[in-house]
Amino acid sequence: GAVVSQHPSRVICKSGTSVKIECRSLDFQATTMFWYRQFPKQSLMLMATSNEGSKATYEQGVEKDKFLINHASLTLSTLTVTSAHPEDSSFYICSARDGGGPRNYGYTFGSGTRLTVV
Amino acid sequence: AQTVTQSQPEMSVQEAETVTLSCTYDTSENNYYLFWYKQPPSRQMILVIRQEAYKQQNATENRFSVNFQKAAKSFSLKISDSQLGDTAMYFCAFMNNNAGNMLTFGGGTRLMVKP
Repeated sequence: GAVVSQHPSRVICKSGTSVKIECRSLDFQATTMFWYRQFPKQSLMLMATSNEGSKATYEQGVEKDKFLINHASLTLSTLTVTSAHPEDSSFYICSARDGGGPRNYGYTFGSGTRLTVV
Repeated sequence: AQTVTQSQPEMSVQEAETVTLSCTYDTSENNYYLFWYKQPPSRQMILVIRQEAYKQQNATENRFSVNFQKAAKSFSLKISDSQLGDTAMYFCAFMNNNAGNMLTFGGGTRLMVKP
């Protein structure tokens, strides 16, 4: 089945530094990937939609200059948290559509990245 | 904008029994998909079941089935013969086929299966 690899699974960084999270579709091409943020015991909140070869679409309230998204190939999207602060500490999850067509919508999720900013 | 509501923050069920998780949604669209995802302690999101809005027949996947009531905008998940491995967070999700195809999630229900 479709697999999405997300790396790293855990990262600790110092305030003010930047962290890059990678999301790769291993056995399918993903023209669209999604980035979510999940706070403890809460649901997934969509941050942005990553489109291959074009600019990402950010949800309201998400700072695009802070959360840089690059989707340079059909199998890789990256999320860079710039100038990280403790309040950016969270669980970040990516997902990609793995559907074979309009009648087979499916979304495969990465295993998530726990970011801790100290 | 679509909203998804899960009114049960926590549920528990005895092993081997049946439990139903509730989900309602609000949309003016007619072409959409609904999903139930499971998130165990590992936090890996796992697709449980999917329903196309244009299908009247309720989706089933082994011990998992849904009760899809389109007019009432309700999409409940029934888990039969509950197993300890079913302990997880369960998220109901909505996807509008005409608006970017992103998923909108409900707040989740934490299910505990007791031995």
